[in-house]
Amino acid sequence: DVKVTQSSRYLVKRTGEKVFLECVQDMDHENMFWYRQDPGLGLRLIYFSYDVKMKEKGDIPEGYSVSREKKERFSLILESASTNQTSMYLCASTYRQGVYYEQYFGPGTRLTVT
Amino acid sequence: GENVEQHPSTLSVQEGDSAVIKCTYSDSASNYFPWYKQELGKGPQLIIDIRSNVGEKKDQRIAVTLNKTAKHFSLHITETQPEDSAVYFCAASMSGTSYDKVIFGPGTSLSVIP
Repeated sequence: DVKVTQSSRYLVKRTGEKVFLECVQDMDHENMFWYRQDPGLGLRLIYFSYDVKMKEKGDIPEGYSVSREKKERFSLILESASTNQTSMYLCASTYRQGVYYEQYFGPGTRLTVT
Repeated sequence: GENVEQHPSTLSVQEGDSAVIKCTYSDSASNYFPWYKQELGKGPQLIIDIRSNVGEKKDQRIAVTLNKTAKHFSLHITETQPEDSAVYFCAASMSGTSYDKVIFGPGTSLSVIP
């Protein structure tokens, strides 16, 4: 079974703090993604990575950065947390099935910024 | 850019009835259409997918249909059970490159009433 794990299920941080969210996958997947999920907006892509040390901006990268030093680990960084970054954060990795990629998600981290 | 619309946003059905969720996409180059189920407190799970060279796919009580001409695809759940209650997301992507970008619909909250 594919396993994608996230370091925390719930996190409460103060405005201005630096926040690290970590994601690990154990299936040697090349591609990893960070999304945020908000009611009525669905899943929005923040950043993705298709190789170690490679990263690409998604649709809403402002206020975030990422790090991928090892293939299995993809970190999302909030340099200075703000209340509008309160959200559910989902990590995913993709598995290539022929020419198609199947995406698998972690359980999510619910971040509250006060 | 690519956009995926999904209807309805909420759906209530009696146990044993069928449920249908419909999606439309804008990018005619999309060729892979996964469906995800997200239960409370969990990350989305891939439940079924359909590729552009197929018009219909069935897996037990779940079926998906794709109309490429109209850019529509739908999820059909028959003989619904209370454990089918969840949020369902449709998505569209264009695979075949070195990495993929998946565009999600806003989600449908399905409630199955016992």
